[in-house]
Amino acid sequence: QSALTQPASVSGSPGQSITISCTGTSSDVGGYNYVCWFQQHPGKAPKVIIYDVTDRPSGVSSRFSGSKSGNTASLTISGLQTEDEADYYCSSFRNSSPPSYVFGTGTKVTVL
Amino acid sequence: EVRLVESGGLVVQPGGSLRLSCAASGFTFEDHTMHWVRQAPGKGLEWVSLVSWDGSSTYYADSVRGRFTISRDNSKNSLYLQMNSLRSEDTALYYCAKSAINYLDVWGTGTTVTVS
Repeated sequence: QSALTQPASVSGSPGQSITISCTGTSSDVGGYNYVCWFQQHPGKAPKVIIYDVTDRPSGVSSRFSGSKSGNTASLTISGLQTEDEADYYCSSFRNSSPPSYVFGTGTKVTVL
Repeated sequence: EVRLVESGGLVVQPGGSLRLSCAASGFTFEDHTMHWVRQAPGKGLEWVSLVSWDGSSTYYADSVRGRFTISRDNSKNSLYLQMNSLRSEDTALYYCAKSAINYLDVWGTGTTVTVS
């Protein structure tokens, strides 16, 4: 079961916007609006920041936004802050046989 | 407070077995699909398995199918992962996670399994 493809690292200065891509196939990212994004700080459990492609759980900053085009989903962080430095993972349901759940390869975000 | 607490992680020899547990509290456990996700040291997240709310449906990653068995006891608000024929590549931090329909909304802090 291959992982969804993300860039290994993305960086930006405080206040800037950055975008992380997540590329899959029509069997996962492209076929369903079930993409979500997790933020993971070192030594901590992952925390969901976007679900169903574009929705934010209560309490998550509006600086995080999600979108999708074809087989590629994207996470945009606007007004980058030092506390945004973390690892980010996308995930999706995969309509394989049998069905499964798949994560992205992960992206390290560095705030310069 | 919604909480998941994993336990059972140990150092085990290759070929050995281990049973992980996850105790749930603060929500109606029997209403939710539950997952196990693992993270090898310094690596990314890997989905391992899920079990439906009533235990009738179970799915596994290719890497563990035939060796791992997921189960649950709704009367005890508990999730389990029986791990057999363990390999060095199974070394990881194992998280249990609660499903909110289409995504994993609550995660435990994990329990560490070392196969060596």
